[in-house]
Amino acid sequence: EAQVTQNPRYLITVTGKKLTVTCSQNMNHEYMSWYRQDPGLGLRQIYYSMNVEVTDKGDVPEGYKVSRKEKRNFPLILESPSPNQTSLYFCASIKGGSYNEQFFGPGTRLTVL
Amino acid sequence: AQSVTQPDIHITVSEGASLELRCNYSYGATPYLFWYVQSPGQGLQLLLKYFSGDTLVQGIKGFEAEFKRSQSSFNLRKPSVHWSDAAEYFCAVGATDYGQNFVFGPGTRLSVLP
Repeated sequence: EAQVTQNPRYLITVTGKKLTVTCSQNMNHEYMSWYRQDPGLGLRQIYYSMNVEVTDKGDVPEGYKVSRKEKRNFPLILESPSPNQTSLYFCASIKGGSYNEQFFGPGTRLTVL
Repeated sequence: AQSVTQPDIHITVSEGASLELRCNYSYGATPYLFWYVQSPGQGLQLLLKYFSGDTLVQGIKGFEAEFKRSQSSFNLRKPSVHWSDAAEYFCAVGATDYGQNFVFGPGTRLSVLP
């Protein structure tokens, strides 16, 4: 089954404790992206990657890091989480040439205390 | 840079009534336009998309949307709403083939009365 998976689905952590949210897709898509969703703001792009070893900032990259060492994986790293990063996070992938039709993961709900 | 507005934060309709959700975008060239639906506790599902051609596009679950360039709008419609349509709806605009500058609207929450 074609899908985007994220782990963990739920995470409660404390300020300053480094964490990684994994994202994996099995569709051989070139492009992957991370979004955060906050009430009243919709989804805002954090980082995106056009292919292996190619990443770039989205609209709200502060406090986040990403890496793309393999085509299928695109982890999101919070080196020192803060309460304002409490949010719902979505990973997405796109097949090249499909005009931005994005396939979304199920989401990760993160709470930073 | 492109932007998307959805003027209605929350809409309530009765089951069986018609529905129109508004979306306005700002972009200098022809945009790629999308509507996504998010059911409670779920991820996002693509309802329909517009790239070019016929300005009235059909999607899944009986939804349709009409692209009006003169009004910079891409409103979503459904002739008869079902209780299972209660969800949050997001309009989005993309500007390239690979998703850079892909922008979502703030969403419209739809409630359906029995």
